[in-house]
Amino acid sequence: AQKITQTQPGMFVQEKEAVTLDCTYDTSDQSYGLFWYKQPSSGEMIFLIYQGSYDEQNATEGRYSLNFQKARKSANLVISASQLGDSAMYFCAMREQGQAGTALIFGKGTTLSVSS
Amino acid sequence: DTGVSQDPRHKITKRGQNVTFRCDPISEHNRLYWYRQTLGQGPEFLTYFQNEAQLEKSRLLSDRFSAERPKGSFSTLEIQRTEQGDSAMYLCASSSQRTSGNDEQYFGPGTRLTVT
Repeated sequence: AQKITQTQPGMFVQEKEAVTLDCTYDTSDQSYGLFWYKQPSSGEMIFLIYQGSYDEQNATEGRYSLNFQKARKSANLVISASQLGDSAMYFCAMREQGQAGTALIFGKGTTLSVSS
Repeated sequence: DTGVSQDPRHKITKRGQNVTFRCDPISEHNRLYWYRQTLGQGPEFLTYFQNEAQLEKSRLLSDRFSAERPKGSFSTLEIQRTEQGDSAMYLCASSSQRTSGNDEQYFGPGTRLTVT
């Protein structure tokens, strides 16, 4: 069965510093997609970045990059130059294969707190 | 370009009552998903539509839950005979592989249900 594990319940970082949020996954599929979402206190899930299993290069989107290590089954999110507005819950997710179309399986999330 | 909208944003109901939530996806998106999120957890997939066809509904939590997307546009999620355990955030998401090869899902703000 597919599974996402986020082992850091909470992370603390100072403004302008970089932070890495960990994500490991478990799947027997060869083709899969990995996503990161941000959920501020307002509740809306905001798509940040995507990595396909066959992508040879790590994905980047502005200050977000995904450190994809396929052999270790990890897909860590790196946020560079943290900002106060980055304080939120962050979820790693995997696209599920099978009848559920492209439904996502989520981890339990990591709360990021950015201080000035 | 409007995002995914959900109505109502909050619903308080008494145990045993029926509730219905509405989701309006991004207009060009043909795929629509419902998720449930309880406190401290990541979203949990419930059901999925491609156009008007409900392609996966086995994850609906019980036979008290049902969803429709009659014309392939908006969708409704109904919970009959609500129980206190149904209290959660109900999230809707939409996507389209035609507009994005990664088929990333865009989420609405959610409907927070409280059953008293």
